[in-house]
Amino acid sequence: RKEVEQDPGPFNVPEGATVAFNCTYSNSASQSFFWYRQDCRKEPKLLMSVYSSGNEDGRFTAQLNRASQYISLLIRDSKLSDSATYLCVVYTGGGNKLTFGTGTQLKVEL
Amino acid sequence: NAGVTQTPKFQVLKTGQSMTLQCAQDMNHEYMSWYRQDPGMGLRLIHYSVGAGITDQGEVPNGYNVSRSTTEDFPLRLLSAAPSQTSVYFCASSYSNRNYGYTFGSGTRLTVV
Repeated sequence: RKEVEQDPGPFNVPEGATVAFNCTYSNSASQSFFWYRQDCRKEPKLLMSVYSSGNEDGRFTAQLNRASQYISLLIRDSKLSDSATYLCVVYTGGGNKLTFGTGTQLKVEL
Repeated sequence: NAGVTQTPKFQVLKTGQSMTLQCAQDMNHEYMSWYRQDPGMGLRLIHYSVGAGITDQGEVPNGYNVSRSTTEDFPLRLLSAAPSQTSVYFCASSYSNRNYGYTFGSGTRLTVV
């Protein structure tokens, strides 16, 4: 089983739609969680951290469920510019251990 | 601030050649890492450093060396390039990877023929 698993997609949604991605992680000792965005042929960029209480940044909402070991990202009112690959990232500690999922591709269409 | 700067952006090597990928950051971050990204594999950690003079191996260290003589610089050396090392390489740095995640450089696209 992969340490961090994501549905690769692609998710094709119309502009203005709400879309949600889930990510599961296998290590119950994982401590911190992040969502990154990666545009085609570009570097990953931190979108938001994920906290147990859930957190929101504009149209983006992240949730963490430690009991079920999954995190989610909700994007409301999708824009064409949201088209990208979204990477789920988990910090497990022990030095520098960040584990990246393979990403979920989102395509927002007119 | 420039953030994380990687050079070169593109490189083609012949099998057996060696080279150094450069990485510099100007944010005074203690944590620095090198990742490679291959289709369907996600980002995989090659080597990392938690401060000047301290380095350690990641998930896929074979064929690569690193050193960290200063806080700012973290070069990655390919000892004898192989076609399996064809990939996109990202350098990243963090103040505290536990709480802040990483800032990535723009990447080096390496092809070994």
